[in-house]
Amino acid sequence: KAGVTQTPRYLIKTRGQQVTLSCSPISGHRSVSWYQQTPGQGLQFLFEYFSETQRNKGNFPGRFSGRQFSNSRSEMNVSTLELGDSALYLCASSFEWGVYEQYFGPGTRLTVT
Amino acid sequence: AQRVTQPEKLLSVFKGAPVELKCNYSYSGSPELFWYVQYSRQRLQLLLRHISRESIKGFTADLNKGETSFHLKKPFAQEEDSAMYYCASRSVNTDKLIFGTGTRLQVFP
Repeated sequence: KAGVTQTPRYLIKTRGQQVTLSCSPISGHRSVSWYQQTPGQGLQFLFEYFSETQRNKGNFPGRFSGRQFSNSRSEMNVSTLELGDSALYLCASSFEWGVYEQYFGPGTRLTVT
Repeated sequence: AQRVTQPEKLLSVFKGAPVELKCNYSYSGSPELFWYVQYSRQRLQLLLRHISRESIKGFTADLNKGETSFHLKKPFAQEEDSAMYYCASRSVNTDKLIFGTGTRLQVFP
């Protein structure tokens, strides 16, 4: 099985712009979660989607949003980018929500200048 | 609030020495606990989970509810164990997976 894929792998944006990141889960997986990884804060949960519905949301401002499509692919969007949004954004998929193991993608490295 | 604490940012040991990576959680219910590992230039991956009670690559972790700890242990470290280790917990109520800040394990030859 192909693993979780994320596109693009690297992105450079300027403050005030918006960005969309994409995640394709492992075939058959219906749950997708997003995390932000920074050296200072570590891995922080952004949100989780299952069957096109947001099941869980972390403590991030409304500038961070996401969605999931019927094929389980997911996108996350960050509007009005700030310097502090520079991070590695990780996507993870699992068969369903709950106790199933999460499989992580390679991440998208976002740099905001 | 649900929280996972890994007090050590870096742990350095020599090959063959015992290893203990500390993890404490704060949650009043019954969380599900995990250890994830990230080797150099590889993806984050699950190492073990407390409900399975298994040993992976020689690592074990025991849930101590009294001390709210889930320390990761290995009796004899190997150089290939060098990696970043993250402890994580998921609450039964919210299903959110909360990670600690991670501990970098360096095993010297």
